[in-house]
Amino acid sequence: EPEVTQTPSHQVTQMGQEVILRCVPISNHLYFYWYRQILGQKVEFLVSFYNNEISEKSEIFDDQFSVERPDGSNFTLKIRSTKLEDSAMYFCASSKDRTNQPQHFGDGTRLSIL
Amino acid sequence: QKEVEQNSGPLSVPEGAIASLNCTYSDRGSQSFFWYRQYSGKSPELIMFIYSNGDKEDGRFTAQLNKASQYVSLLIRDSQPSDSATYLCAVNEGGNQFYFGTGTSLTVIP
Repeated sequence: EPEVTQTPSHQVTQMGQEVILRCVPISNHLYFYWYRQILGQKVEFLVSFYNNEISEKSEIFDDQFSVERPDGSNFTLKIRSTKLEDSAMYFCASSKDRTNQPQHFGDGTRLSIL
Repeated sequence: QKEVEQNSGPLSVPEGAIASLNCTYSDRGSQSFFWYRQYSGKSPELIMFIYSNGDKEDGRFTAQLNKASQYVSLLIRDSQPSDSATYLCAVNEGGNQFYFGTGTSLTVIP
């Protein structure tokens, strides 16, 4: 069964550094998402992406964050100048053809900021 | 602020029993509803989704939706120890954003 793949599985970075989290969505899916989950807390929406542009973003997704689809398969989340509070699991998800379709999640990237 | 509320639990049921998980949401315009299972340290895994009032069954799982009362529930019949996980309710109001609850921790006791 097709799946969303994320790399790396764990990223350790010094505070203030930039990180790029990578995702390969399911190939025939058109909508892509990033979520984060701070340890012990709920899954929080960051951003959705469709047709090569951001379609919606949350208050969390400030100027520190950016997303990109650099080619036909990858979908990346960049965090500039990381802060301690950015430490979390970051999940990529994709869905088929409408915004209310089920979203399928990747295994996540655990980001640890030192 | 759109809220999705779940009882954090833990909910404990004996093996073979029915587990009942509940979720309420604040946005009356919500259109689609999802249940995800999340094992500790893992990603959310889609269990079921429901769009219309009533019941939807898939194997041992039944989702129930009551839009008038703004709640959605998940029943797990013949609960197994492997069902022990946190169950996340997610709600979509027609836009691009899913709103998740904090999850209910379920333990199935052998």
